[in-house]
Amino acid sequence: QLQLQESGPGLVKPSETLSLTCTVSGGSISSGSYYWGWIRQSPGEGLEWIGSIYYSGSTYYNPSLKSRVTLSVDTSMNQFSLKLSSITAADTAVYYCASRPMATVTVDFWGRGTLVTVSS
Amino acid sequence: QSALTQPASVSGSPGQSITISCTGTSSVISAYNYVSWYQQHPGKAPKLMIYDVSKRPSGVSNRFSGSKSGNTASLTISGLQAEDEADYYCSSYTSTANYVFGIGTKVTVL
Repeated sequence: QLQLQESGPGLVKPSETLSLTCTVSGGSISSGSYYWGWIRQSPGEGLEWIGSIYYSGSTYYNPSLKSRVTLSVDTSMNQFSLKLSSITAADTAVYYCASRPMATVTVDFWGRGTLVTVSS
Repeated sequence: QSALTQPASVSGSPGQSITISCTGTSSVISAYNYVSWYQQHPGKAPKLMIYDVSKRPSGVSNRFSGSKSGNTASLTISGLQAEDEADYYCSSYTSTANYVFGIGTKVTVL
């Protein structure tokens, strides 16, 4: 069974770039069996889809965040990453990495999430 | 993309059945049979409970069922148990491989 683990700084200053990494275990990113994605949950708010990436590098972004988001994949490390630029307090959230099997459009497994606070 | 609309809270007594609704625009829920439901306990990652409107992943109790009519999807929990107390989110696949989520429903077992 897949396991996903987010990592990265828990505190980021406004206007800087948020960088998070998701390490995948129990499966290989380069198998091509999954899309890999990021979802966030702001305090007291619902869930927001950020974007997804395939092992080949193909990406799909939430239009509302597209101008600030970059997803990348490192098959040698079995990791994929999120960069979100020009962050503000509104980007304070729990960030989850997640997987979606190629054969479906269902996001099935999620990491435990990591809280990122934007504050000076 | 606007979020899907869910009731803020639903409650029921043990053994009862409850239904959570999830309403979206015609371009989302009615356009695709790709509605999912997630259960989230405090401090935990969301867990997939229903996908493709009414399918249950392996290991999920058959007390959970899903359906859809027009622009509204529903999650029904039968035989409500204390462990079902959690937040529930609906989600729908949209065009260009994006997803939209509901604002979440807090289920309370009385």
